[in-house]
Amino acid sequence: DTGVSQDPRHKITKRGQNVTFRCDPISEHNRLYWYRQTLGQGPEFLTYFQNEAQLEKSRLLSDRFSAERPKGSFSTLEIQRTEQGDSAMYLCASGEGRSPGNTIYFGEGSWLTVV
Amino acid sequence: GESVGLHLPTLSVQEGDNSIINCAYSNSASDYFIWYKQESGKGPQFIIDIRSNMDKRQGQRVTVLLNKTVKHLSLQIAATQPGDSAVYFCAEKPGGTYKYIFGTGTRLKVLA
Repeated sequence: DTGVSQDPRHKITKRGQNVTFRCDPISEHNRLYWYRQTLGQGPEFLTYFQNEAQLEKSRLLSDRFSAERPKGSFSTLEIQRTEQGDSAMYLCASGEGRSPGNTIYFGEGSWLTVV
Repeated sequence: GESVGLHLPTLSVQEGDNSIINCAYSNSASDYFIWYKQESGKGPQFIIDIRSNMDKRQGQRVTVLLNKTVKHLSLQIAATQPGDSAVYFCAEKPGGTYKYIFGTGTRLKVLA
C-alpha cells in the first residue's frame, strides 16, 4: 500500500494519559498535515509541515498537543494529559510540491477515545 | 473553528440519476478547492479539484463548477451508483495560508 499510513488505527485511553499517533506520508511527499474530525463535522486543521519545518499551527492546538516531523518523513502527534473532549479521529494527509495549491491525500485516521 | 455550514444536509437520489452537491465557501481569497468523499469509518478520499482561475473541471463521471461571484462550489455526479453513497466535503484553501478549510459536508444516499 503506497498511501498515507497511520498508526494506531484505534486507541482507548484513560483521561490524563498521554497518547502518540504516527503518520507515514506517501513516499517523497514533502507536505504533511494533521487534522481532527468529530462525528458529523468536517475535518479541522491542526498543523502543517513542509519537510521538517512546522509552518502553520491552528489556535485549536493547545499546549497539550505537539507535533514533530524530525527528518521530514514520518510525523508524530502527541496529546498530553488527555481530556474527554480530545476524543475524535485524527487524520494525517500528505501532498507533493512546494505550492499549497495542490492535492492532499488522507490516511484512514486514528480514532481516539478518552474514557 | 472555521467551517462552512452548520448542518449535515442529506441528498437522496435514485440510482442512475445525476446528483448535484452544493457548497458555499467562506473566503473570497481562496485560490484552490477540493472535493472529498468520505465513507463511514474511513479517511476522506480525493475526488476532484479546481483552481480559482477556472470555473469548470471534469473528471470521470464528476464535474466541479466554481462561481467565485457568489462563492459557490458544486459537485455533479453523473449516473449515480450505490457506491457513491457517502458524505461529501468541499475544502477551500485561502490564499496566503497553507491550510485547507472543510465544510460540514453533505450526505448522499443512493436509492435502489
